Amino acid sequence: AQSVTQLDSQVPVFEEAPVELRCNYSSSVSVYLFWYVQYPNQGLQLLLKYLSGSTLVESINGFEAEFNKSQTSFHLRKPSVHISDTAEYFCAVTLQGGSEKLVFGKGTKLTVNP
Amino acid sequence: GAGVSQTPSNKVTEKGKYVELRCDPISGHTALYWYRQSLGQGPEFLIYFQGTGAADDSGLPNDRFFAVRPEGSVSTLKIQRTERGDSAVYLCASSAGTSPTDTQYFGPGTRLTVL
Repeated sequence: AQSVTQLDSQVPVFEEAPVELRCNYSSSVSVYLFWYVQYPNQGLQLLLKYLSGSTLVESINGFEAEFNKSQTSFHLRKPSVHISDTAEYFCAVTLQGGSEKLVFGKGTKLTVNP
Repeated sequence: GAGVSQTPSNKVTEKGKYVELRCDPISGHTALYWYRQSLGQGPEFLIYFQGTGAADDSGLPNDRFFAVRPEGSVSTLKIQRTERGDSAVYLCASSAGTSPTDTQYFGPGTRLTVL
């Protein structure tokens, strides 16, 4: 069975600082990879996803994630964060050719301070 | 257009009672998912519908949990003889297609508290 590990439960940073949220996965077969974001008092929203092709994927609000197959990682990065990026971020995988269910990590709470 | 909606937003019940949680997916979405999110955890898969049928119910924890989607749209998650350990946020998601690559759109969740 596949699993997702998000090593950092909380990440506090100052505004305009860079940030990296780490995600590692374990699976015996190929997977698709996702980052979801949950802003305060809102539902989960898809931030970005890796399906195939270029290993670097970007979101519309400046986040990017890079799929690294050898390290089984899909870390999320942003070079300069804003107060509005404060949210909980979840990494998730689903099996290629398997069930459509998402397997989530425990989440990382990003707090951006002024 | 309207997103996924879930009712009620909050449900408080007593141990041993029966509860029903409702999910209205995005219009036209054929796939519907239920997840459960306990405090401090990520969402955990419960069941997935393709149309009216349950394509994967491997995440249902035991036979107290049951879900239906009789007309291929609205779904109801039913929990019998509730236990305190059932307290969690129950999330519903829908997607337009049948591929794992189709984006799942999540509702705001129903917070269930079992006293």
